[in-house]
Amino acid sequence: EVQLVESGGGLVQPGRSLRLSCSASGFTFGDYALSWVRQAPGKGLEWVGLIRSKSYGGTTDYAASVKGRFTISRDDSKSIAYLQMSSLKTEDTGVYFCAVGGRYFDYCGQGTLVTVSS
Amino acid sequence: EIVMTQSPATLSVSPGERATLSCRASQSVSTNLAWYQQKPGQPPRLLISDASTRATGIPARFSGSGSGTEFTLSISSLQSEDFAVYYCQQYNNWPPWTFGQGTKVEIK
Repeated sequence: EVQLVESGGGLVQPGRSLRLSCSASGFTFGDYALSWVRQAPGKGLEWVGLIRSKSYGGTTDYAASVKGRFTISRDDSKSIAYLQMSSLKTEDTGVYFCAVGGRYFDYCGQGTLVTVSS
Repeated sequence: EIVMTQSPATLSVSPGERATLSCRASQSVSTNLAWYQQKPGQPPRLLISDASTRATGIPARFSGSGSGTEFTLSISSLQSEDFAVYYCQQYNNWPPWTFGQGTKVEIK
């Protein structure tokens, strides 16, 4: 059974940094792209970024709204993906989901809540 | 960036009735279109990929159709567990991968 567990969310002040983790099990982690998708309170889904598998160069893509501030990385030996968020803004508030897939998102974790507020 | 537009925003349907949800892309996405279901407090769940292929474990009452810029998700006979928000998402032109704003299916 595929499982994705996000962690690391919390309350953070604007301008500060936070790192989210996505721990995966139930599939060969290194073979798949991992994406991050977020959802502001009461709003729809927004794709944040993606990291491809090493077979595809391990390259990353980001939404324009987070490019230059967010960085995705992965540790295939631990089956964990990370979302490093810096220079956080109030509009970054929301639930952050990690998801398996580089085209559509086959599975999503339960999400972790990030609140950016002073 | 491809903009995905879903209609209607809210659909009121009685249990057992058919629901038809629409998704329009601002330019052609071929059949690179997915549908998701999301219930309150839960993550999105993949229903359909490639416009019409049901994901593993998805009941046959869910069907997807369309290509190019016009897509439809149909639920043939609504069950109580189907009342939720549904999102379409394109993966033809990226980045970014883009979602529609969602259609809420509520009990009439």
